[in-house]
Amino acid sequence: QSALTQPASVSGSPGQSITISCTGTSSDVGYYNFVSWYQQHPGKAPKLMIYDVTNRPSGVSIRFSGSKSGNTASLTISGLQAEDEADYHCTSYTGSSTRVLFGGGTKLTVL
Amino acid sequence: QVQLQESGPGLVKPSQTLSLTCTVSGGSFSSGGYYWSWIRQHPGKGLEWIGYISSNGSPYYNPSLKSRLTISVDTSKNQLSLKLSSVTAADTAVYYCAKTKQQQLVPTFDYWGQGTLVTVSS
Repeated sequence: QSALTQPASVSGSPGQSITISCTGTSSDVGYYNFVSWYQQHPGKAPKLMIYDVTNRPSGVSIRFSGSKSGNTASLTISGLQAEDEADYHCTSYTGSSTRVLFGGGTKLTVL
Repeated sequence: QVQLQESGPGLVKPSQTLSLTCTVSGGSFSSGGYYWSWIRQHPGKGLEWIGYISSNGSPYYNPSLKSRLTISVDTSKNQLSLKLSSVTAADTAVYYCAKTKQQQLVPTFDYWGQGTLVTVSS
């Protein structure tokens, strides 16, 4: 199962905005609106931040937003804060119950 | 508030079977039509989906692990379990259990266990 493609790392200064990309194919990210994003701090379990491309679960800051264009989904974090420094993972539905794709993860550093 | 807790041996010998249990609390495991999943993370790497199981016990496996994998549920105990046979060092990872947010086989996981590290070594 080929993984979705994410940049290995991104960085930004406090207050800035950053965007993390997640590239799949026309059979997964490009076809279905079931892309999710997870935040993972070191030694902790992933936390759902965005689902169905653009939706935020209750309790997630409005500074986190999701979008999609073609085969690439994106997570944007605005007004960067030190607490946002973490790994971010994307995942997409593929139409198959036995094929779940995750991205390789992106390490966000807040400078 | 749903809570998930993984448990099991932290050290498994090569060629043996890795067995983990995930206990679900704070909600009705067998109602709601949600799916439960095992996901692992190799040290310093990304997430890898292992499989789903429905609350009525229908499993869905990652084809790359299917020949060694068994996922089952015990609704009386609010538990799901993972058995992975013939393990090698490549199976060393943190293993998570997770719940789907929706009542469908979509990889949107809203609740996760804290994870348990399993090391395969003699």
